[in-house]
Amino acid sequence: QSVLTQPPSVSGAPGQRVTIPCTGTSSNIGAGYDVHWYQQLPGIAPKLLIFGNNNRPSGVPDRFSGSKSDTSASLAITGLQAEDEADYYCQSFDTSLSGSVFGGGTKLTVL
Amino acid sequence: QVQLQESGPGLVKPSETLSLTCTVSGYSFSSGYYWGWIRQSPGKGLEWIGSIYHSGITYYNPSLKSRVTISVDTSKNQFSLNLSSVTAADTAMYYCAREDRRYGSGSFWVYFDSWGQGTLVTVSS
Repeated sequence: QSVLTQPPSVSGAPGQRVTIPCTGTSSNIGAGYDVHWYQQLPGIAPKLLIFGNNNRPSGVPDRFSGSKSDTSASLAITGLQAEDEADYYCQSFDTSLSGSVFGGGTKLTVL
Repeated sequence: QVQLQESGPGLVKPSETLSLTCTVSGYSFSSGYYWGWIRQSPGKGLEWIGSIYHSGITYYNPSLKSRVTISVDTSKNQFSLNLSSVTAADTAMYYCAREDRRYGSGSFWVYFDSWGQGTLVTVSS
């Protein structure tokens, strides 16, 4: 049982827009801590996709964006491509751990 | 470009201690970042194990704290994970990562900006 809640799966056709929600609690997202997102391609280590709610590291396409409101956050992917098929994880800081908590991950399928 | 590489036994017996080392290259190890361990059980999500600063300051996940020790060797640009009294539930891919802890845009940020490729550890007799 992960501390942050994500749907197990989402899907979309090439070119479409999909969103992946992430719900937290009063000790993490709801306490004002920002959300970060990771992309994990099959058999590969996770890669930082978004930090600080909506900042992209160098090299991440602007098709990826994030947002946060109250106790939840969302990752949006526009112009869906086959190469976007991966698992996506949200992460935030939790005061009860003095460390990181992750979502359970969402598998994106490009139809 | 920072690179991280995990090393250690791929098979550990139940009740024994799992020991892994992460070697950092391409970055001044003692400059401002924390260094963390994260694991991923087969087919499951990510779990933060703990983090360490080059000065030795550590943070551990409370659910593992009684069994975890993370240490650092700045002379070798390495940090290590010891997890004692392992069971089959500790079978997982173990990742080391560089952790950024700072204030940004009015909030406290803690995230992992570079990851090792991971090493699979199986607990079995």
